[in-house]
Amino acid sequence: GENVEQHPSTLSVQEGDSAVIKCTYSDSASNYFPWYKQELGKGPQLIIDIRSNVGEKKDQRIAVTLNKTAKHFSLHITETQPEDSAVYFCAASGSGGGADGLTFGKGTHLIIQP
Amino acid sequence: DAGITQSPRHKVTETGTPVTLRCHQTENHRYMYWYRQDPGHGLRLIHYSYGVKDTDKGEVSDGYSVSRSKTEDFLLTLESATSSQTSVYFCAISDWTSGRGETQYFGPGTRLLVL
Repeated sequence: GENVEQHPSTLSVQEGDSAVIKCTYSDSASNYFPWYKQELGKGPQLIIDIRSNVGEKKDQRIAVTLNKTAKHFSLHITETQPEDSAVYFCAASGSGGGADGLTFGKGTHLIIQP
Repeated sequence: DAGITQSPRHKVTETGTPVTLRCHQTENHRYMYWYRQDPGHGLRLIHYSYGVKDTDKGEVSDGYSVSRSKTEDFLLTLESATSSQTSVYFCAISDWTSGRGETQYFGPGTRLLVL
């Protein structure tokens, strides 16, 4: 099955700086890669996703890049703000395309220092 | 939370007792999922459903069963709860009839403590 590794487990950055979270996956058949943000006591919320036919996707201060050859994808947050503090999870679809569930990384606790 | 509710939101139970968690959706999505979240493990798939009465196992299905008798409801049952099943349980839904079929939307979670 699919295996997803996520780094770092904790990331502390100064407000206004950029943050980068990296994930690798094992199943070359994976074709869908979402990123979720989870605030304390809440369910994960989708913030951005990318499909394997695209190398990069941006949405305001958030971007995701995908390198299919190396089997890794990254989340980039620019001009970080206090409300960006949360736990972020990457996920991969596996060979089932996601219909049979997603495989998640273990999460990154992002701390924005004022 | 994309029209998803989970009940109860919190539950404390004793080892050996049966427990049923409910996920209810108002989106009429075909696919529903149960995940558990534990520190250091992220989210792991327990079971999923691809239609009424159609279910399959996920990565960590031992000790759990599911049922789906209506499109809107997906039940997760712990037949005999153990302390290792203390966790936060999340339900998710997706709609494979739309162009964004892979996208999963999560409910608010149920926090279960087994003593």
